[in-house]
Amino acid sequence: DTGVSQDPRHKITKRGQNVTFRCDPISEHNRLYWYRQTLGQGPEFLTYFQNEAQLEKSRLLSDRFSAERPKGSFSTLEIQRTEQGDSAMYLCASSPRRGQGLNNAYEQYFGPGTRLTVT
Amino acid sequence: KNEVEQSPQNLTAQEGEFITINCSYSVGISALHWLQQHPGGGIVSLFMLSSGKKKHGRLIATINIQEKHSSLHITASHPRDSAVYICAVNLRDDKIIFGKGTRLHILP
Repeated sequence: DTGVSQDPRHKITKRGQNVTFRCDPISEHNRLYWYRQTLGQGPEFLTYFQNEAQLEKSRLLSDRFSAERPKGSFSTLEIQRTEQGDSAMYLCASSPRRGQGLNNAYEQYFGPGTRLTVT
Repeated sequence: KNEVEQSPQNLTAQEGEFITINCSYSVGISALHWLQQHPGGGIVSLFMLSSGKKKHGRLIATINIQEKHSSLHITASHPRDSAVYICAVNLRDDKIIFGKGTRLHILP
């Protein structure tokens, strides 16, 4: 299977604990995105990488959140001192980036997500 | 007001009916995506389009850039089409904004 994978699929943690999620993108994809989705809502952008460079972080991403993609392959998303409001599905997606300019849109391939429950 | 609005929010129809889901956006985009999400969370990309119309099997997606509007159509709907359908737009700075989704339920 050469799709996007995420680990773990489910995580239950107590408030105040730190958690780390991993995303393995499709191997030739240089773009990697993290999204968060709460119940009944569409996904919300958190951050994205072009290779190992983190290009943008949403204002939703507080100081407790950090993401890395150290070698431009897999990525990790860490949440420190979790709060109940962090309970959500965390989705990762990857895409190839073709060319420059305005018309460089590309299809995104989503992982299965990591469902986080903070008790 | 959300930058990406979908309608309807919920739709229940009988098997075989023609389904239309609408998406309007208020920002400049480079492309629009239609995504399908089944219970359990997995998201599949159905279409990415920046102009005109695309067709894949019983699914058709259209976009009108001037009117900032897109539609997703399902012909001869089937219970297995029951899912949440999400519209998302690529902004020109490469960020993606999602609509809240349309929950579709096809009755046998």
